[in-house]
Amino acid sequence: TQLLEQSPQFLSIQEGENLTVYCNSSSVFSSLQWYRQEPGEGPVLLVTVVTGGEVKKLKRLTFQFGDARKDSSLHITAAQPGDTGLYLCAGAGGGGSQGNLIFGKGTKLSVKP
Amino acid sequence: NAGVTQTPKFQVLKTGQSMTLQCAQDMNHNSMYWYRQDPGMGLRLIYYSASEGTTDKGEVPNGYNVSRLNKREFSLRLESAAPSQTSVYFCASSGAGGEQPQHFGDGTRLSIL
Repeated sequence: TQLLEQSPQFLSIQEGENLTVYCNSSSVFSSLQWYRQEPGEGPVLLVTVVTGGEVKKLKRLTFQFGDARKDSSLHITAAQPGDTGLYLCAGAGGGGSQGNLIFGKGTKLSVKP
Repeated sequence: NAGVTQTPKFQVLKTGQSMTLQCAQDMNHNSMYWYRQDPGMGLRLIYYSASEGTTDKGEVPNGYNVSRLNKREFSLRLESAAPSQTSVYFCASSGAGGEQPQHFGDGTRLSIL
């Protein structure tokens, strides 16, 4: 059972555009993490959101945790080629997690110069 | 500070051969994990070790065994490799509990012919 749905699956945009990717679930999570994975490397943690409605900013990246703690979004402003990668969300404390993280399948972002 | 180190980085095996993937972390983390990542499937947990001396099955444990050699090292063994085990394998560690942010190695790319 896929508990975390990410959309879109693929996104190809031009440098300078804005974009939003989504992470949705029917389960409530105690926290949600976002990772970025570049080709040939392992995922790297970007941020953890814990409180419903929480907004965190990391330079041009804005992360939001839904009020009900079932969903999250990542918004990138003025995307750069260096933002290219696979963005993964991971939920903690949700149904079926058995004390481990539940990962979504990811959004593959390509930013063209 | 190396973080999580995986060896080897690449490996090609024939069906039926065995091999062990090695993982070591230098962050004094209690918990360690093995995932496989396949196109369209996301990260799937194979086995994890919540603390030294304990191991537990994850989502896809069949065909694999693990050993938590000490606090630093967690190895993954394929006893009789099958083409379905062709994948990229990631080791990860976290400080205290499976829901904490995880630090990943750069992966082992394994092809089984």
